[in-house]
Amino acid sequence: DAGITQSPRHKVTETGTPVTLRCHQTENHRYMYWYRQDPGHGLRLIHYSYGVKDTDKGEVSDGYSVSRSKTEDFLLTLESATSSQTSVYFCAITPELNTEAFFGQGTRLTVV
Amino acid sequence: GNSVTQMEGPVTLSEEAFLTINCTYTATGYPSLFWYVQYPGEGLQLLLKATKADDKGSNKGFEATYRKETTSFHLEKGSVQVSDSAVYFCALRRAGANNLFFGTGTRLTVIP
Repeated sequence: DAGITQSPRHKVTETGTPVTLRCHQTENHRYMYWYRQDPGHGLRLIHYSYGVKDTDKGEVSDGYSVSRSKTEDFLLTLESATSSQTSVYFCAITPELNTEAFFGQGTRLTVV
Repeated sequence: GNSVTQMEGPVTLSEEAFLTINCTYTATGYPSLFWYVQYPGEGLQLLLKATKADDKGSNKGFEATYRKETTSFHLEKGSVQVSDSAVYFCALRRAGANNLFFGTGTRLTVIP
């Protein structure tokens, strides 16, 4: 398995609270991604990073922010969680462009 | 734009049956195409890929051929096993980009 650890694995939070999900990799890969997985949509890209402090938006970035202060960590923050952000969140990494993506085991987030 | 349309599931087959999961895509240029598999409780794993027209990707008895004329990348396996029960995702990565566009996923259940 690629060295990707997501934490927490499960979380229940209340509407309006901030939430931070963590992705930690031991592969020293340059690119990191956050996807959300929802029924009927597959996986959709939220944000991605192409290096320390270098991030960009994906197709469903509204309501989310990210930070990458170290190569190994990529944080996803929901500033004020809403029920529509109930989902399973996956982190992925790639070493370079046009290379295989490796996925973490996912974080199931429920916003009540 | 870029999109992937995948056969709706769920699909239930008996062991040793033939499997086909249809996937068609829309993309500019010449994308790379992928099949990912997600076993229960796990992240996505790359099953196979093809990077140019007429390429055939294969792994673990699964095959898919990149058909540019029909914009398709159908997944096939001649004889499924109970251990193949999982969710299968078709995905594309457009040329020069690094993020993936996913289909909605197809849940396969193989019964003994």
